[in-house]
Amino acid sequence: AQSVTQLDSQVPVFEEAPVELRCNYSSSVSVYLFWYVQYPNQGLQLLLKYLSGSTLVKGINGFEAEFNKSQTSFHLRKPSVHISDTAEYFCAVSGSGNTPLVFGKGTRLSVIA
Amino acid sequence: DAGITQSPRYKITETGRQVTLMCHQTWSHSYMFWYRQDLGHGLRLIYYSAAADITDKGEVPDGYVVSRSKTENFPLTLESATRSQTSVYFCASGTDKKPQHFGDGTRLSIL
Repeated sequence: AQSVTQLDSQVPVFEEAPVELRCNYSSSVSVYLFWYVQYPNQGLQLLLKYLSGSTLVKGINGFEAEFNKSQTSFHLRKPSVHISDTAEYFCAVSGSGNTPLVFGKGTRLSVIA
Repeated sequence: DAGITQSPRYKITETGRQVTLMCHQTWSHSYMFWYRQDLGHGLRLIYYSAAADITDKGEVPDGYVVSRSKTENFPLTLESATRSQTSVYFCASGTDKKPQHFGDGTRLSIL
């Protein structure tokens, strides 16, 4: 079964600084990878996903992620964060085909003015 | 606007009681999901449904019952609530086993 590890439970960062949220997954022949964001008192929203093709995936709100098969990683990046990016971020993985997603435990991003 | 509605948003009940959490979607998605979110565990899949009258267990199904008589509704029932089921519950929908849209959650406290 697939598993995913989010290496940091909390990441504080100053406004307008760059940020990287790390995600590693268990190896498989092929995987689908996702990042979701959860704002306070809300459900999750899909930020971006990797299914195949280009390893650099661009998502909403200026976020991007890079699929690295050799390192089994799918780190999320943003070059300049805003206060409004303060939220919980979840990485998720599934095997190829129609299999359910497995979520990481989340990383809480706190943007400081 | 299409979306997912969960009700109630907040619920307090006692151990041993039956409680049902409702979920209604207007996306016409075939798949629907129930997750629970707990500190330190992230989101864990309880049950999912591929279509009306088709349901499957997820990672943590014990103590929960689901039904799906209509495509748009997917209620989750705790037949005899326990304190360990205190959690935030999220309903989601999608066109396959990857959820695309989530509701705003139901915060359930069991005393």
